[in-house]
Order: sequence, then structure tokens, then C-alpha cells
Amino acid sequence: EAQVTQNPRYLITVTGKKLTVTCSQNMNHEYMSWYRQDPGLGLRQIYYSMNVEVTDKGDVPEGYKVSRKEKRNFPLILESPSPNQTSLYFCASRPLTGSTEAFFGQGTRLTVV
Amino acid sequence: AQSVTQLGSHVSVSEGALVLLRCNYSSSVPPYLFWYVQYPNQGLQLLLKYTSAATLVKGINGFEAEFKKSETSFHLTKPSAHMSDAAEYFCAVSQNPFSGGYNKLIFGAGTRLAVHP
Repeated sequence: EAQVTQNPRYLITVTGKKLTVTCSQNMNHEYMSWYRQDPGLGLRQIYYSMNVEVTDKGDVPEGYKVSRKEKRNFPLILESPSPNQTSLYFCASRPLTGSTEAFFGQGTRLTVV
Repeated sequence: AQSVTQLGSHVSVSEGALVLLRCNYSSSVPPYLFWYVQYPNQGLQLLLKYTSAATLVKGINGFEAEFKKSETSFHLTKPSAHMSDAAEYFCAVSQNPFSGGYNKLIFGAGTRLAVHP
């Protein structure tokens, strides 16, 4: 089954404690991205990657890092989380050619206290 | 720059009534347009997409949308609402990759649809 898998689904952490949210896709897509969803703001892109070792900032990259060492994985790293990063996070993947829609993971609800 | 505006953050309809969710976009190049649905505690699921073929696009669960270039709109409709349609709906735009670029999906703020008996 084609899917994007995020882990964990729920996470509560304390300010300043480094965390990683994993994302993996099994569709061999080149393009992967991270979004955060906040009420009234829709989804905003944090970082994206066009292929292995190619990453770039989206609209709201401050406080986040990513890596793309393998095509299937695109982890989101919060080196020092702060309460304003409390949000719902989605990983998505798309091919660069052919089908154009993005496929989304189930989301990770992060609370930073 | 591309942008998406969804009119109405909350829409409430009766079961069996017409559903109309509005989406207007801005794009300097021919766009690709999408509607996604998000059920509670779930990810986003594609409802339908416009990719420069037919302007009237049919999607899953009886939804359809019409691309109107003159109005820069891509409104989502369903003739008869069902209780199971209650969810949040997102309109999104991306650049047509054959128009010189490939970029991110830009989302509207979302419209929460409530369906009451």
C-alpha cells in the first residue's frame, strides 16, 4: 500500500529538549516536504526536498532542521523546541513528474510545554 | 506569487442540502488546483484536482469543482450533503510544472463543514 508514515502521532515535550519526527514514504517520490497546521492559517511549508541531499527552506523554517540522506526518509528535527512550535505537523511526498498531487502522512500532534 | 483564499472558515448545512465551499486563487502562470479533505485526527486526503484538462472536475464522495479562469475560482460543490461529509476542507494551488517551474503546494486557511440533521 502506498503511504507516508510519520512517527510519533502524538508527542508532548519540554522546552529545549531536542526531538525528531520521522517521515518515510514507499512511493519512490523525489519531492518531500514538511508542513505545520495551525487554526486559521491552513498548512504552511516548513522545509522541502527535491531529492537526496537537496533541501531548502519553506515559508516558516525558523527553529527546524531537516535531512535527506535517503530518498524514502525525511526527518524533521527540532533542536530546541519552544512553545510556539506546538502544532500539528504533516509530512508529504510528491513525484516530480506524472501525478501531481501530494500524499500526506497521518500527522504528528506536538505539544511543547 | 501564488495565494489561495477560502471564503468562510465555517460552513453549516443541513443533511441533503447543497454544499458550496469557495476557493479563489491568484497565480501568474497556469495553475494546478486541488481540494483536500481532513477528517478528525487524520491526514489530508485528495478529493479532486484540476491539471488543465476538463474545467469541471469530478472527485470522490460525490464532490466536484469547476475551474473558472475568468473568476480565478475553483469552488467545491456537492448536490446533497451527508453527515459523513463533516470535515475540514482545504483548497491548494501549485504551479503547472510545464509552465517553467515546480514548486510547493500553497494552501488556503481551510473551511470547516458542519452537517446537521
